[in-house]
Amino acid sequence: GQNIDQPTEMTATEGAIVQINCTYQTSGFNGLFWYQQHAGEAPTFLSYNVLDGLEEKGRFSSFLSRSKGYSYLLLKELQMKDSASYLCASMDSNYQLIWGAGTKLIIKP
Amino acid sequence: SAVISQKPSRDICQRGTSLTIQCQVDSQVTMMFWYRQQPGQSLTLIATANQGSEATYESGFVIDKFPISRPNLTFSTLTVSNMSPEDSSIYLCSVRGLDRGTMGETQYFGPGTRLLVL
Repeated sequence: GQNIDQPTEMTATEGAIVQINCTYQTSGFNGLFWYQQHAGEAPTFLSYNVLDGLEEKGRFSSFLSRSKGYSYLLLKELQMKDSASYLCASMDSNYQLIWGAGTKLIIKP
Repeated sequence: SAVISQKPSRDICQRGTSLTIQCQVDSQVTMMFWYRQQPGQSLTLIATANQGSEATYESGFVIDKFPISRPNLTFSTLTVSNMSPEDSSIYLCSVRGLDRGTMGETQYFGPGTRLLVL
């Protein structure tokens, strides 16, 4: 079956760094997506990895290891506005997105 | 990127009634996707709406309950029929587009329709 696993909730301190992990098992693989979703709003695209390695985009970086079926989203210099749910999604061989349940990130001052 | 709008943004409906949600995209797209997200849960794909053919429904979703129209390449509607409180959810319209940052295809979402069924 197809499965995406990510922690349900994480807490971090303003100004710190946090890493949100995601493991995936999908039928085929056409990339790994990370989305941010603030409460009551639609998900917004953060990053896409299809090759192994780290992609950096400002304060956010995303890492992929295809052999391990593993990705992480790294958030640096955390700000209060980063409090949100972070959704991991893997695109399978049919180009369908398989979604994780999301990780709720709580930032404390 | 794609700009997507949805109407209504929210609604409170009585059990047994139906609600039609509209989705408008600012560019022509082949496929439009309808998702549901129940409180505290992940996104669940309801169906893929293709212009000129019937929508493709995912397991657990049927056309009688969620009829979809796709009259052209920029517009689609999803109807939630004979509603019950279990249908209370956020309904999201989504399309694929090119992200200029990564030069890869990604999925964009409309603002969502928050539905509460009493």
